[in-house]
Amino acid sequence: KNEVEQSPQNLTAQEGEFITINCSYSVGISALHWLQQHPGGGIVSLFMLSSGKKKHGRLIATINIQEKHSSLHITASHPRDSAVYICAAYPNYNTDKLIFGTGTRLQVFP
Amino acid sequence: ETGVTQSPTHLIKTRGQQVTLRCSSQSGHNTVSWYQQALGQGPQFIFQYYREEENGRGNFPPRFSGLQFPNYSSELNVNALELDDSALYLCASSFPGQNYEQYFGPGTRLTVT
Repeated sequence: KNEVEQSPQNLTAQEGEFITINCSYSVGISALHWLQQHPGGGIVSLFMLSSGKKKHGRLIATINIQEKHSSLHITASHPRDSAVYICAAYPNYNTDKLIFGTGTRLQVFP
Repeated sequence: ETGVTQSPTHLIKTRGQQVTLRCSSQSGHNTVSWYQQALGQGPQFIFQYYREEENGRGNFPPRFSGLQFPNYSSELNVNALELDDSALYLCASSFPGQNYEQYFGPGTRLTVT
């Protein structure tokens, strides 16, 4: 079993819909990244958080350290949001190493 | 401030050959981590270099090796290539103290035939 699990694996939405992607982890962590990966491979860091909530534009990330769970929300989704979203955590047993979920493939249709 | 760069972008090699991939870290970052991402999977940690020394390694065989140079750029070397080595190889740089935030390069896509 992976130490970091994401759901759903695939997600389709109509433009304008509210999107939620979930991430749960089984080990103690010091922080968690939400990453965006477009076709072609490049990865962009959207958020890094260790507690509470962060917002950037239409993106919101929350984390509950006690429940070992994080969510990424996209409000008013747009076709350009179509990408793979990956959560990755820094485990307390090795804070230099990132462990990744397998990603959620999001497709937003006009 | 320049971002993380990787070269080459794409590479095709034959089974049994050797390959070297390169990564230039973001300005001011002294730590480089390498990841392998197979198609449809999340990245897997290969190893990390901090100030020219290996600083942690994932579950990869010794034919995966690396170097970090005094300017903190890094190389990933893979010997005796196997078909399963076909993947996207990502590097990420960071600076200890900046909350471990890692900045990713665009990746090198390696195809082994």
